[in-house]
Amino acid sequence: GAVVSQHPSWVICKSGTSVKIECRSLDFQATTMFWYRQFPKQSLMLMATSNEGSKATYEQGVEKDKFLINHASLTLSTLTVTSAHPEDSSFYICSAPTGAETQYFGPGTRLLVL
Amino acid sequence: QKEVEQDPGPLSVPEGAIVSLNCTYSNSAFQYFMWYRQYSRKGPELLMYTYSSGNKEDGRFTAQVDKSSKYISLFIRDSQPSDSATYLCAMKERGQNFVFGPGTRLSVLP
Repeated sequence: GAVVSQHPSWVICKSGTSVKIECRSLDFQATTMFWYRQFPKQSLMLMATSNEGSKATYEQGVEKDKFLINHASLTLSTLTVTSAHPEDSSFYICSAPTGAETQYFGPGTRLLVL
Repeated sequence: QKEVEQDPGPLSVPEGAIVSLNCTYSNSAFQYFMWYRQYSRKGPELLMYTYSSGNKEDGRFTAQVDKSSKYISLFIRDSQPSDSATYLCAMKERGQNFVFGPGTRLSVLP
């Protein structure tokens, strides 16, 4: 199957700092990527849809200025958590759809804000 | 009513058992159905993908879709401790976003 990578796999930061998470499609091009958030023992929550060459589409209740998304190329999308606070601590996962109406997930990034 | 319902478990079975995981949904326009396996602290891994109704088999895994009943299933034969994970169903209409079930936590006991 298609391969999606994420970097870093885990990050610890101080409250008030910003953290950037990268999502790459390694063996295919993705004009669209999805960013999810997952709390322990809960399902995936779609945060936003990242679109190459245009603005991201955010789900209701997700702050655009808090979670900055940039889809710089057909293989790279970044999520920046700005002015992070402890409540932003979570597992962030990206995914990229393929032409077969399915999607492949990255391995996730665990963020801990102290 | 949620768009996709799935029993959260946890479901515990002995090694070698046949496991049945299920999801029900309300949107009759869903055409694409997927099952993902997610190990703790890892991203979901695509297990099975099915278009429309019918069965699909891959090794120990069988996916079934019954669109008339709005019900999908994943069967795991000869379950192994390494199958212990959370299983997420997902489905979508053409051109729309994916909708995920909440996941079922499975434990296969040696």
